[in-house]
Amino acid sequence: QSALTQPPSASGSPGQSVTISCTGTSSDVGGYNYVSWYQQHPGKAPKLMIYEVSKRPSGVPDRFSGSKSGNTASLTVSGLQAEDEADYYCSSYAGSNIDVVFGGGTKLTVL
Amino acid sequence: QVQLVESGGGLVKPGGSLRLSCAASGFTFSDYYMSWIRQAPGKGLEWVSYISSSSSYTNYADSVKGRFTISRDNAKNSLYLQMNSLRAEDTAVYYCARFTISYYYMDVWGKGTTVTVSS
Repeated sequence: QSALTQPPSASGSPGQSVTISCTGTSSDVGGYNYVSWYQQHPGKAPKLMIYEVSKRPSGVPDRFSGSKSGNTASLTVSGLQAEDEADYYCSSYAGSNIDVVFGGGTKLTVL
Repeated sequence: QVQLVESGGGLVKPGGSLRLSCAASGFTFSDYYMSWIRQAPGKGLEWVSYISSSSSYTNYADSVKGRFTISRDNAKNSLYLQMNSLRAEDTAVYYCARFTISYYYMDVWGKGTTVTVSS
């Protein structure tokens, strides 16, 4: 059982927008602005897509955006493209003892 | 370019030991915290451990505490994970990643090395 809760799946058609949620508690997501998102294609290493809730690393398309409200963080992918089909994981700082927790992952399907 | 390459994975019997290595290049290794993250077959990501840039501070997930030891050699640009008393549930792909401690994210990942614990 993962510390952060994500829906197992999400889908959208090319060009549409899709939002993936990541629900935690006031001890992790709600307590700090240290939420990050990772994209993982099958058989590949994870790739950082969003950090500090809403910041994008260089090279990540601006179609990817992040936000947070209370104990729930969200990743929105706008203008869906075929190459966006992948697993997405959220992560958050969870205090000095636990440090880093991940969500269980969401499989995004581009229809 | 910035790169991390893991090695040392393999098949080991329950109770056995294994040492993973991660070779870093393309950045000043000694300036960064580093971490290990694992992914069991068909499962999600699990943070395992991290180490400070000077090795003065380490932390571990409860699931590996007392069995795994993270270390680094800045002169060799290398990160290590010594895994003892291995269990079937330690079977996973192990990734090393560059870890930004200020904001708790991993911005560079290796391709991973597979550890299988089975009799």
